[in-house]
Amino acid sequence: GQQLNQSPQSMFIQEGEDVSMNCTSSSIFNTWLWYKQDPGEGPVLLIALYKAGELTSNGRLTAQFGITRKDSFLNISASIPSDVGIYFCAGQEYNTDKLIFGTGTRLQVFP
Amino acid sequence: GAVVSQHPSRVICKSGTSVKIECRSLDFQATTMFWYRQFPKQSLMLMATSNEGSKATYEQGVEKDKFLINHASLTLSTLTVTSAHPEDSSFYICSATRTSRTDTQYFGPGTRLTVL
Repeated sequence: GQQLNQSPQSMFIQEGEDVSMNCTSSSIFNTWLWYKQDPGEGPVLLIALYKAGELTSNGRLTAQFGITRKDSFLNISASIPSDVGIYFCAGQEYNTDKLIFGTGTRLQVFP
Repeated sequence: GAVVSQHPSRVICKSGTSVKIECRSLDFQATTMFWYRQFPKQSLMLMATSNEGSKATYEQGVEKDKFLINHASLTLSTLTVTSAHPEDSSFYICSATRTSRTDTQYFGPGTRLTVL
């Protein structure tokens, strides 16, 4: 099945550092979403983006919907240990409700 | 609000048996439900989309006779893995939306299936 390219694949950072990850696609999406998944659980929505160029924040998280509608990034500022997990981007197709997920970024935060 | 549950959370079965997984929207009516499969250290892959009262739409490569989906009510969808084999062992996750257009998908906690 189709997947979005997400980078980096994994990150090992120290508590307090900022994190940036991005997602690119060959297709245009009308909605970009960022999810966090903890081991053995379902993904939890962090941020939803609905317009090209949109920049949205949720606490220490900031995400942007690329102008071309083919990419998005997520920034986490001042990371803390509970930020550990796998982060997925997802693009939502306009003519269906389908979500196409990125390959994921595994984040590890060391104290 | 917008809570989705799955049952069971874990299931172990013998090869050749069938397993049913339930997905429920607890505090809203779900027009559409989605079923995903996630192998270890991989992303979520959409298996099928189901709308209440109609047949599910399967993604390419997903066998509809092996993965039976029933969306009999606005709060319940079931996935039955028939004649399960070890390669079907995976994490199955459902999601649900209130409406059919641009609505947020609310995900369930997932079901870990292990086929011996």
